[in-house]
Amino acid sequence: DAKTTQPTSMDCAEGRAANLPCNHSTISGNEYVYWYRQIHSQGPQYIIHGLKNNETNEMASLIITEDRKSSTLILPHATLRDTAVYYCIVKSHQGAQKLVFGQGTRLTINP
Amino acid sequence: EADIYQTPRYLVIGTGKKITLECSQTMGHDKMYWYQQDPGMELHLIHYSYGVNSTEKGDLSSESTVSRIRTEHFPLTLESARPSHTSQYLCASSDYQTGTDTQYFGPGTRLTVL
Repeated sequence: DAKTTQPTSMDCAEGRAANLPCNHSTISGNEYVYWYRQIHSQGPQYIIHGLKNNETNEMASLIITEDRKSSTLILPHATLRDTAVYYCIVKSHQGAQKLVFGQGTRLTINP
Repeated sequence: EADIYQTPRYLVIGTGKKITLECSQTMGHDKMYWYQQDPGMELHLIHYSYGVNSTEKGDLSSESTVSRIRTEHFPLTLESARPSHTSQYLCASSDYQTGTDTQYFGPGTRLTVL
């Protein structure tokens, strides 16, 4: 069962920041927060992950609350190519832990 | 970009045929995975491997089999394809040794069994 809760869909204007929320209130101390996206049934694409601290890479920023019960993925300047389903996943690094993909958030970037 | 490849990308075959879906990665990752995804539905893990000569079944029951003779190669085989096997099959790999265990996915194989 998925351990995260995300809105079903969101819209964002092109060029604006897209902020995607995720709740993971039952996250364990050794579990990381991962974000992936899937564009029209292609293979999922890794975006970013974090444990406690905020993280930033060339694709996005990840903001994790101090109690780690929720996080926000930020795409700073959304483009039309960012339209996809975004998945928030919590997972530890022990064993062959599978990625449990829930329903995700369908993000639509509008021109 | 992840260096993980799947062939074929699309496959349409008749019932009863034996098929092998290829997956290879050039990153030296020890762990590899197969997921199955029906259109508009969630991904489900069907097989995984910790390394050479290691294979395990995932959460979703599957009639497919896998092998891991070489680190870089993790093929999936269906001995006798049926229409119920029609789906997208996604291969992934991760490197547990680096401590991140981030999974990287291939482009997928879309299988249609007539």
